Amino acid sequence: AQSVAQPEDQVNVAEGNPLTVKCTYSVSGNPYLFWYVQYPNRGLQFLLKYITGDNLVKGSYGFEAEFNKSQTSFHLKKPSALVSDSALYFCAVRDIARGGATNKLIFGTGTLLAVQP
Amino acid sequence: NAGVMQNPRHLVRRRGQEARLRCSPMKGHSHVYWYRQLPEEGLKFMVYLQKENIIDESGMPKERFSAEFPKEGPSILRIQQVVRGDSAAYFCASSPEGPYGYTFGSGTRLTVV
Repeated sequence: AQSVAQPEDQVNVAEGNPLTVKCTYSVSGNPYLFWYVQYPNRGLQFLLKYITGDNLVKGSYGFEAEFNKSQTSFHLKKPSALVSDSALYFCAVRDIARGGATNKLIFGTGTLLAVQP
Repeated sequence: NAGVMQNPRHLVRRRGQEARLRCSPMKGHSHVYWYRQLPEEGLKFMVYLQKENIIDESGMPKERFSAEFPKEGPSILRIQQVVRGDSAAYFCASSPEGPYGYTFGSGTRLTVV
């Protein structure tokens, strides 16, 4: 079965420093990978996705993610963190059923990013 | 484009009552998904629907829970005879066909008292 793992429950970083939120995946076939962000008491917002092409994917709010096939990772990064980036971040992978890829996404457990001023 | 609309935002039910959660997908989106979020447990898939069809209900509890997406109107997640353990945030998302990812609604926070 397809899955993603977010090994860190929480990441703490000082404002202005680079941040990385880790995600590893396990899929059969080519992965379709996504990052979402959730602010308190809100729904999830799409940040970026990797389908194919360049391994470095740029997304919303200055975030980017690097697809690494050999390490089966899709880490989320930002060169300079802002206090307003503090939120819950979810990595997701498109599921694959018997008939092939489906539209269903499987989410990781989430990583809480705390950016200190 | 109004996005994915969920209502109500907050719902309080007494044990044993029924809860009905509604979700109107984005215009042009034919796929709807329901997820449940419990504290400390992340986002758990419940059901995936297209118009008049349940595509994948592998995450739905076997009893008391049902979902539909009729030809006309919103998708409905129905929980019968609610128990305290059903208290959670329920999120609906929609997508077009293809690997475009989801657009999420703001969720319905169900509290069972």
